[in-house]
Amino acid sequence: KNQVEQSPQSLIILEGKNCTLQCNYTVSPFSNLRWYKQDTGRGPVSLTIMTFSENTKSNGRYTATLDADTKQSSLHITASQLSDSASYICVVSDSGGGADGLTFGKGTHLIIQP
Amino acid sequence: EPEVTQTPSHQVTQMGQEVILRCVPISNHLYFYWYRQILGQKVEFLVSFYNNEISEKSEIFDDQFSVERPDGSNFTLKIRSTKLEDSAMYFCASSGSGHQNTEAFFGQGTRLTVV
Repeated sequence: KNQVEQSPQSLIILEGKNCTLQCNYTVSPFSNLRWYKQDTGRGPVSLTIMTFSENTKSNGRYTATLDADTKQSSLHITASQLSDSASYICVVSDSGGGADGLTFGKGTHLIIQP
Repeated sequence: EPEVTQTPSHQVTQMGQEVILRCVPISNHLYFYWYRQILGQKVEFLVSFYNNEISEKSEIFDDQFSVERPDGSNFTLKIRSTKLEDSAMYFCASSGSGHQNTEAFFGQGTRLTVV
């Protein structure tokens, strides 16, 4: 069964600090891995999409890494801001690659404190 | 910036009643999806829709559920006879294609509460 596990479940850091969120998956076959940001009560917003051949991808202060061999990914947030407070969801797509083959993780709930 | 819009933002209904959740996908998109998220749990795929028919559906999407694209802009999810366990946030999404690595854009969601 396809699964996506994220850690930690929740994280509190001070504004300006960096943090790294982890994702392990067992989705097979693998097509791509996505990180989404979800504000409370809102829909997920895409941060990055990576295929198996991509090891790292950046979007502003967000940098995602992917190790397709160990089936692990991380999302690194640099110089955190209060607006970064949200849930960060790791989503893995199977071989179809489209949005109907997405397996979602439960997310990491990140709180940035002033 | 184009976005997926959903209405209503919050729907309260009595058990056994029918509900219709509405979505307006991004105008030039061709692939449409419904997902749900029960409070405190992960987002789950319900159904995908392309060329006026269902292309994929999950185990959750049983006979109580149906989708429709009644006109050129709306995409609806109907729950025929709601159950308490249907209470969740329902997200509509759309994408420009069904190919690999195509980004899916999500709406803000409709919070359905069945009482």
